[in-house]
Amino acid sequence: DIQMTQSPSSLSASVGDRVTITCRASQSIDSDLSWYQQTPGKAPKLLIYAAYVLQTGVPSRFSGSGSGTDFTLTITSLQPEDFATYYCQQSYNTPRAFGPGTRVDIK
Amino acid sequence: QVQLVQSGAEVKKPGASVKVSCKTSGYTFTKYHMHWVRQAPGQGLEWMGWINPASGGTYYARRFQGRVTMTRDTSVSTVYMEVSRLESDDAAVYFCARESLPAARPYDYWGQGTLVTVSS
Repeated sequence: DIQMTQSPSSLSASVGDRVTITCRASQSIDSDLSWYQQTPGKAPKLLIYAAYVLQTGVPSRFSGSGSGTDFTLTITSLQPEDFATYYCQQSYNTPRAFGPGTRVDIK
Repeated sequence: QVQLVQSGAEVKKPGASVKVSCKTSGYTFTKYHMHWVRQAPGQGLEWMGWINPASGGTYYARRFQGRVTMTRDTSVSTVYMEVSRLESDDAAVYFCARESLPAARPYDYWGQGTLVTVSS
């Protein structure tokens, strides 16, 4: 099974900061990676799929990059509504593993 | 518009079973696979498996094989996920999530979640 890791596990940032979250797969997953945002008590929300494609309606301050085993989610100019937990997930094969999550909170 | 509406919260005793429903609307039910994901309190997302609503075919994560059953009823555009022999570790919020069609097949729509409490 493919294992997904994320770093950091948590970070503190201020409004306006640039934030970068890294996701790594235990083997190559091509570009079959998605990023989700989850706020407390809510279902996850799709942000990016196919490693870099922005889901319709998601602000352009979110971007994704990477392929193979190493991926990055970047948020430029962090906004108050961006304080949440972010998960990556591979869809290269089953089981469709998620990363453990990265919590972004207010500094 | 696409909607996935799940059944309400459940309280079950250890050893019992629970069946969660996910009623869909706003799209062709048989065209998209449905996945189930759970989240224990304060924990991350755990993938459980998927069902193909067109054929009824399923795939379960290894740790759930023999204890989880996913079914569908095409007449009411609803998928179901049943967990048997509940343990305390099964206490979680259970989500259904639609697998989209574009590259990487992400989950573009999610149900609101169903809280399952396991307590004696």
